[in-house]
Amino acid sequence: GENVEQHPSTLSVQEGDSAVIKCTYSDSASNYFPWYKQELGKRPQLIIDIRSNVGEKKDQRIAVTLNKTAKHFSLHITETQPEDSAVYFCATDTGRRALTFGSGTRLQVQP
Amino acid sequence: NAGVTQTPKFRILKIGQSMTLQCAQDMNHNYMYWYRQDPGMGLKLIYYSVGAGITDKGEVPNGYNVSRSTTEDFPLRLELAAPSQTSVYFCASSYSNKANYGYTFGSGTRLTVV
Repeated sequence: GENVEQHPSTLSVQEGDSAVIKCTYSDSASNYFPWYKQELGKRPQLIIDIRSNVGEKKDQRIAVTLNKTAKHFSLHITETQPEDSAVYFCATDTGRRALTFGSGTRLQVQP
Repeated sequence: NAGVTQTPKFRILKIGQSMTLQCAQDMNHNYMYWYRQDPGMGLKLIYYSVGAGITDKGEVPNGYNVSRSTTEDFPLRLELAAPSQTSVYFCASSYSNKANYGYTFGSGTRLTVV
């Protein structure tokens, strides 16, 4: 089955800096790549997603890039703020509409 | 719309007991899912359903059963609870006719087996 690896597991940045989280996947049939944010004790919430026919997507301070050849995709957060502190999960789908999740990245934004 | 509703929010079970985690959605989503999240880990797919009467196994189905008799409800049954089933359980749902179909998650059920 699909295997999704996510790095780093923890990331600490200063407020205003950028943060980058990277995921690699194993199944070349993967065609949908969402990112979720989970605050402590809360449910995961979708923050941005991209399909395999698109190389990059941006929504205000967050962006996702996809490299299908290398089978990796990344989340970029610019001008980080303390409220960006959370655990971020990447996920993939091979077409069966059931997501496989990465192990998560704990982002800490230091004020 | 209430979205995805899970009950109970918390539960403590003794080893060998059984229980049903309830999940209901009011968005007319065809697809529904059960995931478990162990401390500090990602989400693992237990079971999912593409519509009423259809269910399929995910990565970690052992020790669990599901049914989908209506579009709205997707209960998860734990038989003979074991300490390894201590986890947070999330139910989710999604549209079947959207290309970008990000899940809507419920608020979770925190289960402890002692």
